[in-house]
Amino acid sequence: EVQLVESGGGLVQPGGSLRLSCAASGFTFSSYEMNWVRQAPGKGLEWVSYISSSGSTIYYADSVKGRFTISRDNAKNSLYLQMNSLRAEDTAVYYCARVVVDTAMVTLDYWGQGTLVTVSS
Amino acid sequence: QSALTQPASVSGSPGQSITISCTGTSSDVGSYNLVSWYQQHPGKAPKLMIYEVSKRPSGVSNRFSGSKSGNTASLTISGLQAEDEADYYCCSYAGSSRVVFGGGTKLTVL
Repeated sequence: EVQLVESGGGLVQPGGSLRLSCAASGFTFSSYEMNWVRQAPGKGLEWVSYISSSGSTIYYADSVKGRFTISRDNAKNSLYLQMNSLRAEDTAVYYCARVVVDTAMVTLDYWGQGTLVTVSS
Repeated sequence: QSALTQPASVSGSPGQSITISCTGTSSDVGSYNLVSWYQQHPGKAPKLMIYEVSKRPSGVSNRFSGSKSGNTASLTISGLQAEDEADYYCCSYAGSSRVVFGGGTKLTVL
């Protein structure tokens, strides 16, 4: 069974940092591209970042570029999101999501349950 | 990059059909056949319902269908059922390695 389990969320002050993790199981993690998508409380979905299966290709939304860093460790079946210089508007549930093989980065077939990040003083 | 435009809410009675529109621009929806639709029940993670405009993943009911005309994509749900009540989001590739979601549509089954 495919599983994606996020962790690392919590309360952080503006300007602070947080590192999210996504543990993958039930599939060959190293063969799949991955995304982070977030959802502010009561709001819609927002794409955050993409990473290729090898980690060699990375993209970011303009809203997080220069502050967030996506990475992966295929040996540990894990995806990460390092978030620096956090702002109140970064408050959201953060989901990791798997890209369907041989499709575009907008085709996400499995999602984790999400981890809540709250940026507040 | 602005979000794609969806109606805030739609409603229908059981057995009826409804259509949710998703309007973008010539830079996203209009340029690529790379539109996905996601269903999200309260407190749950999104679920992929349609990809590449009109393809259905294995396990998704054939009551769900997708289409596109110009800069507008559409999701149609036929034979509405109570369990279809949820939020629906469209998503499109927007060029230059970017992805854009719609603002979401709340579907109410009357």
